[in-house]
Amino acid sequence: EVQLVESGGGLVQPGGSLRLSCAASGFTFSSYAMSWVRQAPGKGLEWVSAISRNGGSTYYTDSVKGRFTISRDNSKNTLYLQMNSLRVEDTAVYYCAKVEGGGSFDAFDIWGQGTMVTVSS
Amino acid sequence: DIVMTQSPDSLAVSLGERATINCKSSQSVLYSSNNKNYLAWYQQKPGQPPKLLIYWASTRESGVPDRFSGSGSGTDFTLTISSLQAEDVAVYYCQQYYNSPLTFGQGTRLEI
Repeated sequence: EVQLVESGGGLVQPGGSLRLSCAASGFTFSSYAMSWVRQAPGKGLEWVSAISRNGGSTYYTDSVKGRFTISRDNSKNTLYLQMNSLRVEDTAVYYCAKVEGGGSFDAFDIWGQGTMVTVSS
Repeated sequence: DIVMTQSPDSLAVSLGERATINCKSSQSVLYSSNNKNYLAWYQQKPGQPPKLLIYWASTRESGVPDRFSGSGSGTDFTLTISSLQAEDVAVYYCQQYYNSPLTFGQGTRLEI
């Protein structure tokens, strides 16, 4: 079964850090680009970051550039999101998502269940 | 950034009737070299992650019922549910993956 399982969310104070992980199974992880997408409580979907199949190319939405770092370990079938200098507005459910095709930018055909990040004092 | 605008924001349709959701992009998402529209549609039910319904604007994802269809090209797209079922109650999002940053529409809430 193709599956993505996120972990690492929690409550953190403004200015703090968290590292999210996404464990992949049921497909050849190294063959697909991956992304993080977030959803603030009661709000819509917002793409956060993407990484190419070999990790050589990374992309970010402007609001997280310089604060978040996406990475992957293909030997461990795991995607990461290091989040530093967290802000209240980063509060959201964070989903990892697999692209459908071979490009870095494609539709997302597999999503994890999400992990909640709450930034509050 | 490409802005995706959906209409309407919410929609109530009777069971068995047709539901139509529109999505407009601020610039074309049609890539001329392969003639593909970089546009996807997702369904999200409460407490669940989004589910891919349609990609390349009109290709139905495997396992998605054929009452769901996508159409359009360039900047104007439509998701149609031909005969609404109770399980179709959800929020629907369009998304462009033509370039970074990838962007979603604000969502359309579909109710019975």
